[in-house]
Amino acid sequence: SAVISQKPSRDICQRGTSLTIQCQVDSQVTMMFWYRQQPGQSLTLIATANQGSEATYESGFVIDKFPISRPNLTFSTLTVSNMSPEDSSIYLCSVVQGAIYEQYFGPGTRLTVT
Amino acid sequence: GQQLNQSPQSMFIQEGEDVSMNCTSSSIFNTWLWYKQDPGEGPVLLIALYKAGELTSNGRLTAQFGITRKDSFLNISASIPSDVGIYFCAGQRGNKLVFGAGTILRVKS
Repeated sequence: SAVISQKPSRDICQRGTSLTIQCQVDSQVTMMFWYRQQPGQSLTLIATANQGSEATYESGFVIDKFPISRPNLTFSTLTVSNMSPEDSSIYLCSVVQGAIYEQYFGPGTRLTVT
Repeated sequence: GQQLNQSPQSMFIQEGEDVSMNCTSSSIFNTWLWYKQDPGEGPVLLIALYKAGELTSNGRLTAQFGITRKDSFLNISASIPSDVGIYFCAGQRGNKLVFGAGTILRVKS
């Protein structure tokens, strides 16, 4: 399976600021996704990161709040904009590689907003 | 929206015991996946199931894709302390996964 890294691994940010999270994969992948995992909760899909075009957002998530880029087949960024304490979560990127639908996750970015 | 009902919510078992957890849905899924998440880590894929009725093992783990395509179970045999963690089921439809709420497994040594 692909090796996925995320930067930063954790951060503490002040409300009103923005944080960009990077996801790097060691090989080309078919699909990339961004998830949010609130404390003690399951995973919620934010959006599908589309290579070379705008991301596809799930209900409840908007581009102004969570802009996403995917300039190539191995890299994506998620920005959490104008943060509030409610944005404190773990943010995870995941990938699907090849035709078989097995989704693999990065280690996550633990964000705390004060 | 799509929902997966995962049970039990948590388990506290004796080392060496077998463990069983399951997920059910009102909707059909094409693929069932089971993940384990340790504290501070991302979920790790344990088993993927692609066909209704499929039974797949990975070491002490065994999972089955329900014949109706609306459910799946995961069994862990002879549990050990490192089995502690949160187990998530996920159903795939189209290009997306829907996750269960998770089963927290605690093992008494």
